[in-house]
Amino acid sequence: DSGVTQTPKHLITATGQRVTLRCSPRSGDLSVYWYQQSLDQGLQFLIQYYNGEERAKGNILERFSAQQFPDLHSELNLSSLELGDSALYFCASSPRTGELEETQYFGPGTRLLVL
Amino acid sequence: AQKITQTQPGMFVQEKEAVTLDCTYDTSDQSYGLFWYKQPSSGEMIFLIYQGSYDEQNATEGRYSLNFQKARKSANLVISASQLGDSAMYFCAMRASNNAGKSTFGDGTTLTVKP
Repeated sequence: DSGVTQTPKHLITATGQRVTLRCSPRSGDLSVYWYQQSLDQGLQFLIQYYNGEERAKGNILERFSAQQFPDLHSELNLSSLELGDSALYFCASSPRTGELEETQYFGPGTRLLVL
Repeated sequence: AQKITQTQPGMFVQEKEAVTLDCTYDTSDQSYGLFWYKQPSSGEMIFLIYQGSYDEQNATEGRYSLNFQKARKSANLVISASQLGDSAMYFCAMRASNNAGKSTFGDGTTLTVKP
C-alpha cells in the first residue's frame, strides 16, 4: 500500500458525459501527478500540481482539467467523454516539487470505461 | 523531447535465474533520471529503482540492479534470483531535471517467471 488513495476504483459512463476522479496523496506529500494508461497510448503523464499550483503539463487534452485543493487532495475532471478516453487513470504523489531523485508513489488507479 | 524504448514485449525466465530487461533512451538533456516500475496483474505501479545521469555507480536495490551505460544510452534492469512473484509488466521511465515532474514511459516488458 503506497498511501495514495484514489476513488472510485471503477467508473462506467457514456460518451459525452463528465466524470471526476479523486486522489488523496500520501500524508505530507505536496506534489500530485496524474497519468493515463491506455492500450493504444501506453502510460502518459498528464499533469503535476505542487502545493495547489500547476507545475508541469504533459499530454493533457483540453477536455480534461485538474486541480489541487488546500488540503492537497486533487481531482481530475474529464468532460465530453469519448470511447478513447477509456483507460486506467493513476494518481501519484511525491514529497516536494518533483526533483529528479524524488520517488513518485502511485495510487491503485481508477479504471474508466466509456460506453 | 525524450523517448524510451523497450524492445522486448515479453520475456520468460526460469525461477531462481537472473533476467535482464532492456531499456534505451533518447534525450538531449544533460541531467536526467531513469526509473523502473513494476505493474503486477492487479494494476498498481510499484517503484523499483532509480539511476541519476551523473551517478557514477550503478544503482542496486535488493535483487534489482540497473546496468547504466550512459554512452550507449541504455538503462537495463537486472533481476537476480527470479521469483514467481516477479511475473509482471515492467516499465522503464525517465525524467529530465529541467522538467522533472514529467515522466516519459516505455511500452513495457511483460515478464513471466516459470516454476
